[in-house]
Amino acid sequence: QVQLVESGGGVVQPGRSLRLSCAASGFTFSSYGMHWVRQAPGKGLEWMAVISDDGSKKYYADSVKGRFTISRDSPRNTLYLQMNSLRAEDTAVYYCAKETNWNDFDYWGQGTLVTVSS
Amino acid sequence: QAVLTQPASLSASPGASASLTCTLRSGINVGSYRIYWYQQKPGSPPQFLLRYNSDSDKQQGSGVPSRFSGSKDASANAGILLISGLQSEDEADYYCMIWHSSAWVFGGGTKLTVL
Repeated sequence: QVQLVESGGGVVQPGRSLRLSCAASGFTFSSYGMHWVRQAPGKGLEWMAVISDDGSKKYYADSVKGRFTISRDSPRNTLYLQMNSLRAEDTAVYYCAKETNWNDFDYWGQGTLVTVSS
Repeated sequence: QAVLTQPASLSASPGASASLTCTLRSGINVGSYRIYWYQQKPGSPPQFLLRYNSDSDKQQGSGVPSRFSGSKDASANAGILLISGLQSEDEADYYCMIWHSSAWVFGGGTKLTVL
């Protein structure tokens, strides 16, 4: 069965960096686009970034463009989110999600919490 | 003005129907967009419910009951998620989403209470 397991969250000071990972299994990872979506405490969903199946196309939300970088390692079946220059407003649960060929986000991980605080 | 606007909350009775709206910002025509709907229950990640563009271009999520359906209201420039035969388990947050200007955009979400 499809599994997505995020890791790498934690408490980090403002201005520092963090890299999140999403380990995928149960499907052909290299055949699907992958996303990062976050949710601040008590707030709604906010899409962060998407990477195409072959890694050639990447798109970002304006709020993180230039600070966050999405990447993938298909041999390792792993998705990454490199987060630089972190701010308090980046505090959220970060989910990775798999998309279908029709861009449905059909599987989601359980999320990893990132807290940006001094 | 937000790209997608959803009412913050909605209440309905068990067995009734609930119509959740997702209004697109003026200047963005709902007819040009596929609308995606997600359900999120407390403490859980979102779950894909359905995608709707037209009656000939739609998709139900795996295992999602047919009580959940999508449509569009062109006059209101809105996507609609209709839930019929409401059950207590339908109490959740519901989010719409579109692809706009090279980014995925979520609405602010509607908290549906079934009481």
